[in-house]
Amino acid sequence: QLQLQESGPGLVKPSETLSLTCTVSGGSISSSSYYWGWIRQPPGKGLEWIGSIYYSGSTYYNPSLKSRVTISVDTSKNQFSLKLSSVTAADTAVYYCARHTVATICFDYWGQGTLVTVSS
Amino acid sequence: QSALTQPPSASGSPGQSVTISCTGTSSDVGGYNYVSWYQQHPGKAPKLMIYEVSKRPSGVPDRFSGSKSGNTASLTVSGLQAEDEADYYCSSYAGSNNFVFGTGTKVTVL
Repeated sequence: QLQLQESGPGLVKPSETLSLTCTVSGGSISSSSYYWGWIRQPPGKGLEWIGSIYYSGSTYYNPSLKSRVTISVDTSKNQFSLKLSSVTAADTAVYYCARHTVATICFDYWGQGTLVTVSS
Repeated sequence: QSALTQPPSASGSPGQSVTISCTGTSSDVGGYNYVSWYQQHPGKAPKLMIYEVSKRPSGVPDRFSGSKSGNTASLTVSGLQAEDEADYYCSSYAGSNNFVFGTGTKVTVL
């Protein structure tokens, strides 16, 4: 059974860089059938797609966040990572990592999510 | 890209049906048959319920069905059960490797 697990600091100071890693188990991140993405959800609000990466390193970002986002992949560790720079309180959210399919373009497996709070 | 528009809330009694709409534009919902729906219980991760407008993943009850007309997609939950009480989000491919989610609908089972 595929599992995704987010990890990283739960508290980040304003203007600093948020860094999270998603570890994939039960399957290979190098499969040509899938992309790997990040989605966030501010407390009490809706979901927002942040960006996605293919095992080859090709990346796709939400235009509204593109200038601050970097997603990378480490196939040797079966992990992919998110960096979001110059964070503000508006970036406080639960951050999910998820797999999405190339063929059907939907997010079929999700991590449990991790809350990141931006505060001094 | 703007979030897809969903009604904030919907409700029904056990056994009844409820339909949630998801309105976008010709650049997302209307332009592609890649609309998906997600169920989210409080404090939990979203769960895929419908993909490619109307297909159900293995394990999702056939009480859940999806459809699309023009720029609006819909999710119908038939034979409402207490466990269906949750937030529901639609999502659509928006071209150029972009995705957009809906604003979310809270479904209450009366």
